[in-house]
Parts: sequence; structure tokens; C-alpha cells
Amino acid sequence: DTAVSQTPKYLVTQMGNDKSIKCEQNLGHDTMYWYKQDSKKFLKIMFSYNNKELIINETVPNRFSPKSPDKAHLNLHINSLELGDSAVYFCASSAWGLGDTDTQYFGPGTRLTVL
Amino acid sequence: ELKVEQNPLFLSMQEGKNYTIYCNYSTTSDRLYWYRQDPGKSLESLFVLLSNGAVKQEGRLMASLDTKARLSTLHITAAVHDLSATYFCAVDFTGTASKLTFGTGTRLQVTL
Repeated sequence: DTAVSQTPKYLVTQMGNDKSIKCEQNLGHDTMYWYKQDSKKFLKIMFSYNNKELIINETVPNRFSPKSPDKAHLNLHINSLELGDSAVYFCASSAWGLGDTDTQYFGPGTRLTVL
Repeated sequence: ELKVEQNPLFLSMQEGKNYTIYCNYSTTSDRLYWYRQDPGKSLESLFVLLSNGAVKQEGRLMASLDTKARLSTLHITAAVHDLSATYFCAVDFTGTASKLTFGTGTRLQVTL
């Protein structure tokens, strides 16, 4: 069973469209994240949710809106897509706290291409 | 500003050789993570380092953390082709393990 899954894997769309990416984890974690990886492979956190509550919201345009219907799901909706939104988006999850083995588990990524 | 820098950015090495990747960070933290990413793939957790002097080893990879120097190293012993990947370090500056700041990544290419 996949621990952290994302759909779709690839997304090609026109500028100005609205699209969503879905993420689900079956690890029983209570914290989930969205990261953006640009063309130079630089990874930056966008959002973090703990128990369905937004705890980290980096300086991301408000065209990006995360939604967490429950602890196991964190979706990302993007309005009015722009060329600069083209990137790979990774979902991740972790257990909240400072445990010795706590790390973030990443999904397979969604490659978004805006034309 | 919270910064995490890795060097080198690109490393080409021959099989059988040893090398070290360095990860420097800008302010106090005692939680550092190493990840591996294969081309077109996700990130795989390698090591979690949680205190000064922490050392962890898995196969040909060994990671260490010096919080006073704000430095972590990832040492590769007798490299093999299968280790070719991009390696990222990530630092938790919040103390809650909830927000990681990633380094620039080191692309490792092991040649025969």
C-alpha cells in the first residue's frame, strides 16, 4: 500500500485555468504538507496542516488554497494558473512532535505544466 | 534569514572512492534530516539527526551533526553507481519538526 499518494501524477493545463491536486496518507499521521519543487530542484514548503488546522502558510499567492477535509487528506486548489506555477508539487506527512524517528514522508509528486 | 546551504552542488565521483557532502545552516537548530531523490521520483528519508554529535550510518552512507558549527556531513564510502541521486539536507528551525527548510541539493553522479 502506498503511504502517501497524490493524484494526478501529471497535469498539463492552460494559463488562467483552475486545477486541484489531491493527497492522501494512510500512515495515521496528523500533520500534512505541500511543497513546491522548481525547475532547479529547489524545495520550498507552502502549507502545513495539523489535525485539519492550518499551521504554516508561507508567502504563497492566495490563488493557492489548501483544504483538509480530514487528517488523512490534504488537497491543493490553484486558481487562475500562471506560467510560473509550473513545478512539481509534493505532498508529505509526518507525526506531530519530536520523536526520534519523526520524519516527513513524501508522496510521488504532481508535475504541473502551465502552457 | 534562515538558510541551508549544501556543497558541492554537483559531484561526479568514481566507483570505489570516498567523498563528503556538506550542509551548513544559518542559525541554531538541533534537528537535521537527509533525503535522497532519484530523477523524476519522490524524496526518500535517509537519516534523522536530533542532537549535537549525532552520527548515523546506513550501508555506505554516514551522516553526522555538529550543532555548534551548524554543520552536517554526509560521507560516502566506496561509492557505487546505485548511489547516484540528488541528496538534500533539511533543517528544522522551529523545534517542532513541523517546518523543514531544505538545502539546495547535491547531485551525485557515480561513474564506473
